[in-house]
Amino acid sequence: GENVEQHPSTLSVQEGDSAVIKCTYSDSASNYFPWYKQELGKRPQLIIDIRSNVGEKKDQRIAVTLNKTAKHFSLHITETQPEDSAVYFCAAISNSGYALNFGKGTSLLVTP
Amino acid sequence: DTEVTQTPKHLVMGMTNKKSLKCEQHMGHRAMYWYKQKAKKPPELMFVYSYEKLSINESVPSRFSPECPNSSLLNLHLHALQPEDSALYLCASSQVEGGAAEAFFGQGTRLTVV
Repeated sequence: GENVEQHPSTLSVQEGDSAVIKCTYSDSASNYFPWYKQELGKRPQLIIDIRSNVGEKKDQRIAVTLNKTAKHFSLHITETQPEDSAVYFCAAISNSGYALNFGKGTSLLVTP
Repeated sequence: DTEVTQTPKHLVMGMTNKKSLKCEQHMGHRAMYWYKQKAKKPPELMFVYSYEKLSINESVPSRFSPECPNSSLLNLHLHALQPEDSALYLCASSQVEGGAAEAFFGQGTRLTVV
């Protein structure tokens, strides 16, 4: 099955700085890569996603890049704010075509 | 309506109890999932239903029994659980047609087994 590796496990940045989280995947047939944000005690919520036919996608302060050849994708958050503090999970679609395989998560702390 | 609704929000049960978790969505999604999440860990896939049929069972112990009565409802029946089964149980749903798509998560049921 699909194996998703995520780094770093923790990340601390100052407000206004950028944050980058990286993931690699093993299954070259994976074609959908979402990023979820989970605040303490709450459900995971999709913040951005990318499909394998696209190299980069942006939504305001958030961007995701995908390198299919190297099988890695990254989340970029610019101008971080304290409310960006949360656990971020990358994921890739497994061979089943719609069940997510998650990375281990990155705990992001943005300090004022 | 883009909500996945789970009940109850919290559940405390003894090891000899039988209880059920419920999940409902009205987005017309034909794939529904149960995930288990322990503290500081990612969600771990348990079961996948596609068109009301069980398509994936990730080697989950038989004390967890899923049921999909119709395209909007998903249940997880619990019996003879162990304390290590205490976790957040998340239901999710997604489209099936047209390729992989966003999975919408419910707010979860916080289960404590005593």
